[in-house]
Amino acid sequence: GEDVEQSLFLSVREGDSSVINCTYTDSSSTYLYWYKQEPGAGLQLLTYIFSNMDMKQDQRLTVLLNKKDKHLSLRIADTQTGDSAIYFCAVNSNSGYALNFGKGTSLLVTP
Amino acid sequence: GAVVSQHPSWVICKSGTSVKIECRSLDFQATTMFWYRQFPKQSLMLMATSNEGSKATYEQGVEKDKFLINHASLTLSTLTVTSAHPEDSSFYICSVSGGSTGELFFGEGSRLTVL
Repeated sequence: GEDVEQSLFLSVREGDSSVINCTYTDSSSTYLYWYKQEPGAGLQLLTYIFSNMDMKQDQRLTVLLNKKDKHLSLRIADTQTGDSAIYFCAVNSNSGYALNFGKGTSLLVTP
Repeated sequence: GAVVSQHPSWVICKSGTSVKIECRSLDFQATTMFWYRQFPKQSLMLMATSNEGSKATYEQGVEKDKFLINHASLTLSTLTVTSAHPEDSSFYICSVSGGSTGELFFGEGSRLTVL
């Protein structure tokens, strides 16, 4: 199946930018997603990018896609303590509409 | 996006009992729902695809007799963990594919603890 890899932990100071990286193996993925999970909660879709794009900006969020290297990143500008959560990278799978998820990156924002 | 609700949010049960978790799509008719399982500090593992009016499709390694899925209507899918054991303790999350890009919308999750 699809392999989606992420670094497990990132710590930044409030006000700095955070960059969360993800690599995947299936080059046929058409959409790639970033989800946020707060403790004890379900997943919230943050943003997505279509595979023929290399960048998408949505307020404080910037998604970069390097399709050649199969590398996806999420940049959060002016990171706030409320951004502390687990961030999951997800891509289309080859089993219908289900998505394949990375293991998630725990982002800790310190004052 | 689609609004998905799960119930219960938390459940504690004794070993050997069965537990039912409901997943409702509140504003979207979902012919397909997905059940994921999440272990602590790990990713979401797709357990099965729930299909309205037909049998669920289970992922490799998931026991269909252990995790019974029923999708009787376009707004409700249920996951029943039968004869639960402590190793079944986990966070179970359902989702609906409701967006134009195929994005998934998730329920709040149900945390099962088997004593």
